[in-house]
Amino acid sequence: AQKVTQAQTEISVVEKEDVTLDCVYETRDTTYYLFWYKQPPSGELVFLIRRNSFDEQNEISGRYSWNFQKSTSSFNFTITASQVVDSAVYFCALSGAVTGANNLFFGTGTRLTVIP
Amino acid sequence: DGGITQSPKYLFRKEGQNVTLSCEQNLNHDAMYWYRQDPGQGLRLIYYSQIVNDFQKGDIAEGYSVSREKKESFPLTVTSAQKNPTAFYLCASSMDRVPTYEQYFGPGTRLTVT
Repeated sequence: AQKVTQAQTEISVVEKEDVTLDCVYETRDTTYYLFWYKQPPSGELVFLIRRNSFDEQNEISGRYSWNFQKSTSSFNFTITASQVVDSAVYFCALSGAVTGANNLFFGTGTRLTVIP
Repeated sequence: DGGITQSPKYLFRKEGQNVTLSCEQNLNHDAMYWYRQDPGQGLRLIYYSQIVNDFQKGDIAEGYSVSREKKESFPLTVTSAQKNPTAFYLCASSMDRVPTYEQYFGPGTRLTVT
């Protein structure tokens, strides 16, 4: 079965602090895809990153970075020097290439509040 | 501007009435999806469509119906059979017919049934 766990329900940080959002996944597929989405207060989900299971390279995009570790089935997301505009709910999601190939399985999300 | 539009943003209905939520995309995407989001929960798939005139049930299809007569449009009807229809509904589309590519989301419709 496909499952995504985001154990951190809510996190609060002071502006300019770094913060890491955890994501742990379960899948029986050998080929799968991992995603992070941001949901600001407006409600629309914004795509941040897609990672396939064969690419364990960490990725950095500006203040955002992602650490993918197959050995621990984790795909963690770090925001460096957080800003108030980063306040949102962040979702990690998983899609299997075989199992549930037409379904994107979402975690329950982590609400990040950045305090000015 | 390419994107996904959902209307209306807020919708109120009386219990026992069917209601249709609109979703239109001009991204030329083949696949479209409907999700339901409840407070404090992730998104759950209701229906998806990989191609015109074809659609499949997701995890929570009971009480919902869809149609895909045009590539650009994928309306969702919440029927009176849906026991807890009050929720935030999100429509999405993706270039590929399986969600191995990223999905693009609309702004959502918040449905309240009383």
